[in-house]
Amino acid sequence: AQSVAQPEDQVNVAEGNPLTVKCTYSVSGNPYLFWYVQYPNRGLQFLLKYITGDNLVKGSYGFEAEFNKSQTSFHLKKPSALVSDSALYFCAVRDLSSGTYKYIFGTGTRLKVLA
Amino acid sequence: GAVVSQHPSWVICKSGTSVKIECRSLDFQATTMFWYRQFPKQSLMLMATSNEGSKATYEQGVEKDKFLINHASLTLSTLTVTSAHPEDSSFYICSARALRGHTDTQYFGPGTRLTVL
Repeated sequence: AQSVAQPEDQVNVAEGNPLTVKCTYSVSGNPYLFWYVQYPNRGLQFLLKYITGDNLVKGSYGFEAEFNKSQTSFHLKKPSALVSDSALYFCAVRDLSSGTYKYIFGTGTRLKVLA
Repeated sequence: GAVVSQHPSWVICKSGTSVKIECRSLDFQATTMFWYRQFPKQSLMLMATSNEGSKATYEQGVEKDKFLINHASLTLSTLTVTSAHPEDSSFYICSARALRGHTDTQYFGPGTRLTVL
């Protein structure tokens, strides 16, 4: 079965420091991976995706993610965190086994950037 | 591009009434839309996949007679919560599938907070 894991419920980082939000996946075949961010009482905003090609994917708001096939990971990173980055982050993988376009979401990681 | 709207953004209703939530793709056509439910501090739970011109596909455990989905056009899907009860209170989010290049991406609406009294 395909799945996504976000091992950290919360990540705290000081403003200006680099941040990493972890995601690992389990899929059969090549994964389609996504990162979304959710601010309070809002829907999800698309940050970036990996389909194929360069393992380092750049996205919105200065975020990037590194696809690591051997470690089955797709960690979200940013070189310098901002207080405004504080939000809930979701990793997702497209469920290729179902023959549909469904995504499987991780449980989410709350990022708190401290001033 | 790829903007999805939802209406209303919040709604309060009495127990036993029905509530309709609209999901629109504003600048693209979406043959497939998805309806999710999110409980406080939890991940998204997929309720159903809405396909334009055909019946929705519901996830296991989701009552299709309670959560009616209609995808009448390429830019509009509606979710109707029928005979709502307090346990239906939740944050409902829709997404629309957009084809970008060789692959698709889901773009999400801002969500609708439903409170049933």
